[in-house]
Amino acid sequence: GAGVSQSPSNKVTEKGKDVELRCDPISGHTALYWYRQSLGQGLEFLIYFQGNSAPDKSGLPSDRFSAERTGGSVSTLTIQRTQQEDSAVYLCASSFDKDRAYEQYFGPGTRLTVT
Amino acid sequence: AQSVAQPEDQVNVAEGNPLTVKCTYSVSGNPYLFWYVQYPNRGLQFLLKYITGDNLVKGSYGFEAEFNKSQTSFHLKKPSALVSDSALYFCALRGAGSYQLTFGKGTKLSVIP
Repeated sequence: GAGVSQSPSNKVTEKGKDVELRCDPISGHTALYWYRQSLGQGLEFLIYFQGNSAPDKSGLPSDRFSAERTGGSVSTLTIQRTQQEDSAVYLCASSFDKDRAYEQYFGPGTRLTVT
Repeated sequence: AQSVAQPEDQVNVAEGNPLTVKCTYSVSGNPYLFWYVQYPNRGLQFLLKYITGDNLVKGSYGFEAEFNKSQTSFHLKKPSALVSDSALYFCALRGAGSYQLTFGKGTKLSVIP
């Protein structure tokens, strides 16, 4: 596609429910990143995928968070047993490869609200 | 550990006046530095980057940034602000050998007509 797409654009869920957020990277981009943008906290790195290598999960805030990337393309970020502090905008980005990580192209984000 | 600081939460400037959005960083080794802009309800858009070479880099929409190694700064500038420049601006850093970006907390720029 022309850019990184994310779905849904908005998600409201009740505390304790699981949610799945989807990211479609730019076609041909092998590197994919998830970030979280919280009010007053800036952007926080969550997880990084590069090709078929094991992902770097060092930014995931708890074991309730997980992500997978199927077929080296689409990625899903899953948050289990959501908490109110999980409310944020979740941004996905992709780059051609890890060596060009400075050219990260961002999607519009998914705004998650946990009530 | 690497970090980015944007000391101003908000910057107000009159249309037509020059603008500066400040950024300082801390990293071991040579930094790769970036500015991104986020318009309301939109994703982050890349503005410009410093990798190596000239300390003054030019980017999209007439923006430029000056890399100052001694002051560990990478301030964003524009000679004449437009109302349409009003947005949230993020400075970001990538350390050599790393791939993840470390972002500042963002600066809200308001250009007043």
